[in-house]
Amino acid sequence: DVVLTQTPVSLLISLGGQASISCRSSQSLVHSNGNTYLHWYLQKPGQSPQLLIYQVSNRFSGIPDRFSGSGSGTDFTLKISRVEPEDLGVYYCLQRTHNPLTFGSGTKLEIK
Amino acid sequence: EIQLQESGPGLVKPSQSLSLTCSVTGYTITSGYDWSWIRKFPGNKMEWMGYISYSGSTNYNPSLKSRISITRDTSKNQFFLQLNSVTTEDTATYYCARDTMGITRYWGQGVMVTVSS
Repeated sequence: DVVLTQTPVSLLISLGGQASISCRSSQSLVHSNGNTYLHWYLQKPGQSPQLLIYQVSNRFSGIPDRFSGSGSGTDFTLKISRVEPEDLGVYYCLQRTHNPLTFGSGTKLEIK
Repeated sequence: EIQLQESGPGLVKPSQSLSLTCSVTGYTITSGYDWSWIRKFPGNKMEWMGYISYSGSTNYNPSLKSRISITRDTSKNQFFLQLNSVTTEDTATYYCARDTMGITRYWGQGVMVTVSS
């Protein structure tokens, strides 16, 4: 299985600050069709996960431009600028290039 | 609007089978997409369990392949999870979701299942 190593495990960020989460894959996530199926989700307390970014860098509908994704191959990053109280929760990367679909271990974002 | 709702027992005894239902409204499960089961263990670990596609084909996580079955009832627009021979390590919150290549826009609210005698 593809292992996604997410760092850091937790983040304590001040309101208005910037957060950066790394997701490193044990193998390239470029699919044979040329697409990279690496996505980012946020699970807020008491809620189901919600899609933030799909295919590395595409913001999902309604996601503010404070959220951005980047990377290629095996190395990916989620950046959150101007952190707001509603951003707290656990962030996951997920890959679907290879079967089975696997998740990163999660990064808990807390607000100072 | 598309909604998914899990239902099933919240407590299962070790060695028994876990059975959950996902009821879908607002979209017909035979129209498209993959219909997945995902679970979150105590702590933060998430695991994709498998899916049944709109055409009825299935794809399971190899780690569960001998224990899992995902089926559907198209007349009720529902799909089901059965996990056999459960242990305490199967204690988790179980989600159903609509998925395409890992892009999961719609999730159920989740159902917590505890495996305990």
